[in-house]
Amino acid sequence: AQTVTQSQPEMSVQEAETVTLSCTYDTSENNYYLFWYKQPPSRQMILVIRQEAYKQQNATENRFSVNFQKAAKSFSLKISDSQLGDTAMYFCAFMKHVRPVIWGAQKLVFGQGTRLTINP
Amino acid sequence: DTAVSQTPKYLVTQMGNDKSIKCEQNLGHDTMYWYKQDSKKFLKIMFSYNNKELIINETVPNRFSPKSPDKAHLNLHINSLELGDSAVYFCASSQVGQVWSDEQYFGPGTRLTVT
Repeated sequence: AQTVTQSQPEMSVQEAETVTLSCTYDTSENNYYLFWYKQPPSRQMILVIRQEAYKQQNATENRFSVNFQKAAKSFSLKISDSQLGDTAMYFCAFMKHVRPVIWGAQKLVFGQGTRLTINP
Repeated sequence: DTAVSQTPKYLVTQMGNDKSIKCEQNLGHDTMYWYKQDSKKFLKIMFSYNNKELIINETVPNRFSPKSPDKAHLNLHINSLELGDSAVYFCASSQVGQVWSDEQYFGPGTRLTVT
């Protein structure tokens, strides 16, 4: 079974600083997807960034980028120029690439989450 | 236009009662899910449905029964509620088979409190 570990329960940085959230995972699969979700106080789960395991290039989305190390099974999230609105719980998640496709079998396995606070 | 909606957003009830949470998605997706987020914020899959067919059932007590009347709706009925059922329940949907279809879109969550 796949497991996802986020070793930082809480982090706090000043506005405009750069922060990196850690995530490691355990799997014997070769093809899979990795995600970072953000959950602000509103409780809504928002997709921040995603990475396909077969792609060597690290994904980037504006101020958000990942450092994907497949051999080390590491998937960290870097937030540059942090903003007050980035304050949230951040969840790393793993999804196995199911082949042959079984529609509906693509479940997300989440880490424990990191509570990130951006201070003014 | 809300893509994935859940009703109610908050639900407070007593032990032993039966309650339902409704979920609807207007994204045209074929697959829907229920996740549970416990008091420590840990999220775990409960069920998934594809075109009204149950695909994933993750060792959830029989008191929990999902129902999918059509592919746009996935409801969660809980019998004989227990204190440990208090949690936030998230519905999600995805369209498997398209480019980056594996992204799951989440509803706003339903906070269930059992007293």
